[in-house]
Amino acid sequence: EAGVAQSPRYKIIEKRQSVAFWCNPISGHATLYWYQQILGQGPKLLIQFQNNGVVDDSQLPKDRFSAERLKGVDSTLKIQPAKLEDSAVYLCASSLDRHPQYFGPGTRLTVL
Amino acid sequence: RKEVEQDPGPFNVPEGATVAFNCTYSNSASQSFFWYRQDCRKEPKLLMSVYSSGNEDGRFTAQLNRASQYISLLIRDSKLSDSATYLCVETGGFKTIFGAGTRLFVKA
Repeated sequence: EAGVAQSPRYKIIEKRQSVAFWCNPISGHATLYWYQQILGQGPKLLIQFQNNGVVDDSQLPKDRFSAERLKGVDSTLKIQPAKLEDSAVYLCASSLDRHPQYFGPGTRLTVL
Repeated sequence: RKEVEQDPGPFNVPEGATVAFNCTYSNSASQSFFWYRQDCRKEPKLLMSVYSSGNEDGRFTAQLNRASQYISLLIRDSKLSDSATYLCVETGGFKTIFGAGTRLFVKA
């Protein structure tokens, strides 16, 4: 069974630039999550989708972050404009029920 | 106060040792609890769920104490391959909250 796919794996940008990440969840998983993991910290949930509807985006900095899940499958997370403190690993996860959540390999973002 | 708190460690133990981690949570309405394992520069993976009555999976035992609002993970007969960060997770409603993790190093 294919796992959660994410791209790109690494991204380096200058502050104030824009960046987008893509996630393809495990086939059939209705729930999709985007997490931000800063070095030395646990994953922080940014947004949770149930099919193509948003369940929780309370910790998403909406002035600069946006996410969508068209057709209830793939999802993209965008940052515009990026700040230095956005440097982190962005993890996408999917699940059938609440747990277990299956994580993708993540995108390591460096903002210079 | 953080919603989920863990001792960051690191815990340095020899092979064969028994080691225990605790995790405290602040939301008394939290419904479910889990332990995830994260290897260095890898994604988290579910280790085990935590049930009210306590549960065991091989060398791993998880327990929940709702009165004191903490969960624990006990690892017996530690292996080198147990070296990782162990993340405590609580869910309540639609929210999923990860702790910052406890780092474990098992040495030969």
